[in-house]
Amino acid sequence: NAGVTQTPKFQVLKTGQSMTLQCAQDMNHNSMYWYRQDPGMGLRLIYYSASEGTTDKGEVPNGYNVSRLNKREFSLRLESAAPSQTSVYFCASSVGEGNTEAFFGQGTRLTVV
Amino acid sequence: GENVEQHPSTLSVQEGDSAVIKCTYSDSASNYFPWYKQELGKRPQLIIDIRSNVGEKKDQRIAVTLNKTAKHFSLHITETQPEDSAVYFCAARSAGANNLFFGTGTRLTVIP
Repeated sequence: NAGVTQTPKFQVLKTGQSMTLQCAQDMNHNSMYWYRQDPGMGLRLIYYSASEGTTDKGEVPNGYNVSRLNKREFSLRLESAAPSQTSVYFCASSVGEGNTEAFFGQGTRLTVV
Repeated sequence: GENVEQHPSTLSVQEGDSAVIKCTYSDSASNYFPWYKQELGKRPQLIIDIRSNVGEKKDQRIAVTLNKTAKHFSLHITETQPEDSAVYFCAARSAGANNLFFGTGTRLTVIP
């Protein structure tokens, strides 16, 4: 039982490049989330998926897109990376349906130069 | 949406002393308040949570209190140990919502 797994762990991009962060959970959770963590800003929600087939914007969705590929997988795409997207990205999942105890992945440290 | 404020941003205590971290929230409909601990370079992990129908909850050396009228909740750690050193985040969830709003974190340092 691996929990929530994110790939890659580290990434350096040039401004304008694109990339996809992958996330998978093996806990049969309904809901999945993408957060970014910046110094002094806490964890801010980018997008979430309450259940398979649905996605919704969070607090800071600009510059990102997501895909809920199936119940297990939820990917985050940066179409044209900008230095302001330098951050640590966390994927999380929860049972959903009113139970929001979130289980986090190990994080992806992204640097855009 | 919900707005969660957390204080202090940094806290240093001597080993064995108590530590208190406070959070306020804006949405009176919020009904779930978890606390997460994040060690350096690691993922956030849930340490304790409380729901709006309860005023206090304890788990060994940690406790959380909730004041719905004042819209604030606090984390209390007693008999602190060096392994308690970490960043702690509070969060809140509005009723009917499916996501958490986090505070900005408190870096706790326990001095041996």
